[in-house]
Amino acid sequence: AQSVAQPEDQVNVAEGNPLTVKCTYSVSGNPYLFWYVQYPNRGLQFLLKYITGDNLVKGSYGFEAEFNKSQTSFHLKKPSALVSDSALYFCAVRDKKDSNYQLIWGAGTKLIIKP
Amino acid sequence: DAGVTQSPTHLIKTRGQQVTLRCSPKSGHDTVSWYQQALGQGPQFIFQYYEEEERQRGNFPDRFSGHQFPNYSSELNVNALLLGDSALYLCASSPRTGDRYFGAGTRLSVL
Repeated sequence: AQSVAQPEDQVNVAEGNPLTVKCTYSVSGNPYLFWYVQYPNRGLQFLLKYITGDNLVKGSYGFEAEFNKSQTSFHLKKPSALVSDSALYFCAVRDKKDSNYQLIWGAGTKLIIKP
Repeated sequence: DAGVTQSPTHLIKTRGQQVTLRCSPKSGHDTVSWYQQALGQGPQFIFQYYEEEERQRGNFPDRFSGHQFPNYSSELNVNALLLGDSALYLCASSPRTGDRYFGAGTRLSVL
């Protein structure tokens, strides 16, 4: 069965420090991987995706993510956190063979950046 | 160009009532998907509409139904509301083979 795991319910980081939000996945075939961010009372905003090619993907707002096939991980990273990065982050995966293009979602990680 | 728009933003209903949520997709998008997001959880897929037909459905009861109109806009209907239906309902639009763009959601509270 396909699944996505975000092992940390909450991540706390001081402003200016690097941040990492973890994601691991399980799919039967090759994955497309996504990160979305959700601010309070808002919908989901697309941050970045991995399709193929370079394992390091750069996205919006200075975020990047590294695809690691052997560890089946797609961790979200940012070199220097901002207070405004505080939000809920979701990792999602889609099997490349899924003709319905459905996303499987993680439960989300709450990121708190302290001044 | 407007993104995905959903209405209303908030809604309060009582148990047993029926509700209709609306979604207008991003320009150029013909596929609409609906998700339910309970507090503290990730989105759960309800169903997807393309060419005015339900193409795929998640694990939701028949109380959840939908419709897509010729202009690609969509409605989500929920009958016989239960307390457990309280959630944020998200609409996402996409081209048939493209990435999903989400609306801000409708917050439904069932009392």
